[in-house]
Amino acid sequence: DAKTTQPPSMDCAEGRAANLPCNHSTISGNEYVYWYRQIHSQGPQYIIHGLKNNETNEMASLIITEDRKSSTLILPHATLRDTAVYYCIVRVAYTSNTGKLIFGQGTTLQVKP
Amino acid sequence: EPEVTQTPSHQVTQMGQEVILRCVPISNHLYFYWYRQILGQKVEFLVSFYNNEISEKSEIFDDQFSVERPDGSNFTLKIRSTKLEDSAMYFCASRRDSYGYTFGSGTRLTVV
Repeated sequence: DAKTTQPPSMDCAEGRAANLPCNHSTISGNEYVYWYRQIHSQGPQYIIHGLKNNETNEMASLIITEDRKSSTLILPHATLRDTAVYYCIVRVAYTSNTGKLIFGQGTTLQVKP
Repeated sequence: EPEVTQTPSHQVTQMGQEVILRCVPISNHLYFYWYRQILGQKVEFLVSFYNNEISEKSEIFDDQFSVERPDGSNFTLKIRSTKLEDSAMYFCASRRDSYGYTFGSGTRLTVV
């Protein structure tokens, strides 16, 4: 699985958009970009994933550059409850019966009032 | 929304004792996992389970660990003889297809 690089921490004002970057310059053609987050010590929570097109769901938007070497997770209107560690994970689709996730250190997003 | 349920939420045990951590995955999910997170560290993969057998395990998952799906609904992680360094949050997770995992809220294991 390709390696990812994320800033260790970011701040965001409540109500503003939070833009979390991720670099994955060695991503290969069949690898997806997945985003999870972990609020305090809870279990990680799936947010969104994509291959090459931009994706949007009720939680967030995922913007993947045309060369797929980087992506940005966008939380359109951050709230205090979005304070969490955000993980960008690159891996092939879960086509095998393992499909383990390899977590890095992630980005700690602090949403401030 | 379906949830992965883990019990107990917190377990304290003496070093050398056996512990069983329990999980009820989402009912139509096929793939099951255990992860752990030592305080202040990364979430680490322990083991994956599919079709009633282990499909992959990490170096952490040594002979002291075992997993079982005894009755088609529960998924358990057993640590035979706990060590101080086994103190961590243990997360169970399940998935059905190529979409995201669903994680449980975890069991905090404290070995004293």
